Amino acid sequence: AQRVTQPEKLLSVFKGAPVELKCNYSYSGSPELFWYVQYSRQRLQLLLRHISRESIKGFTADLNKGETSFHLKKPFAQEEDSAMYYCALKEGSSNTGKLIFGQGTTLQVKP
Amino acid sequence: NAGVTQTPKFQVLKTGQSMTLQCAQDMNHNSMYWYRQDPGMGLRLIYYSASEGTTDKGEVPNGYNVSRLNKREFSLRLESAAPSQTSVYFCASASGWGNTIYFGEGSWLTVV
Repeated sequence: AQRVTQPEKLLSVFKGAPVELKCNYSYSGSPELFWYVQYSRQRLQLLLRHISRESIKGFTADLNKGETSFHLKKPFAQEEDSAMYYCALKEGSSNTGKLIFGQGTTLQVKP
Repeated sequence: NAGVTQTPKFQVLKTGQSMTLQCAQDMNHNSMYWYRQDPGMGLRLIYYSASEGTTDKGEVPNGYNVSRLNKREFSLRLESAAPSQTSVYFCASASGWGNTIYFGEGSWLTVV
């Protein structure tokens, strides 16, 4: 079965520290993975997707098929990065664009 | 640029009452979704509609019904609300396969 696991409910770091939000997935085919972010009282929005291989707001994520991981990283955290982060896997067999989400990780960046 | 709009934003229901959450998108998207967000559970898909006129069950459809009224609108109905349905509900849409999903602002529902 397809599954996304984010092992940390809460990650608390100081401003300027490196950040790594972990995401592991279970999927037998070729995955398509995303990171969504939800700032306080705002809607979820796409942060980045692995096929774009881009850096958004200083965040990057590399797909590691051997470890079935798609960890989100940022070298220097900012207070405005505080938010809920969701890793998501697109259901491969459908053409509907359905996503399977992880449980989410709250990132708290302290001053 | 409205994107995905859902109403109401907040609602308190008594157990057994019914209500409908409304969702509309103005991006001409084919696919629309209803998710619920619960602490520690992430977002779970309730129902989705791949195109106008079609609907399918997601991961947690029990206790809900949906209607894809037209291409723009996708409503979620709770026929007999239960406290377990206390949650934040998100409507979303996408143009289709492989494309970005856009979310509404959420609807906070409390069932007492």
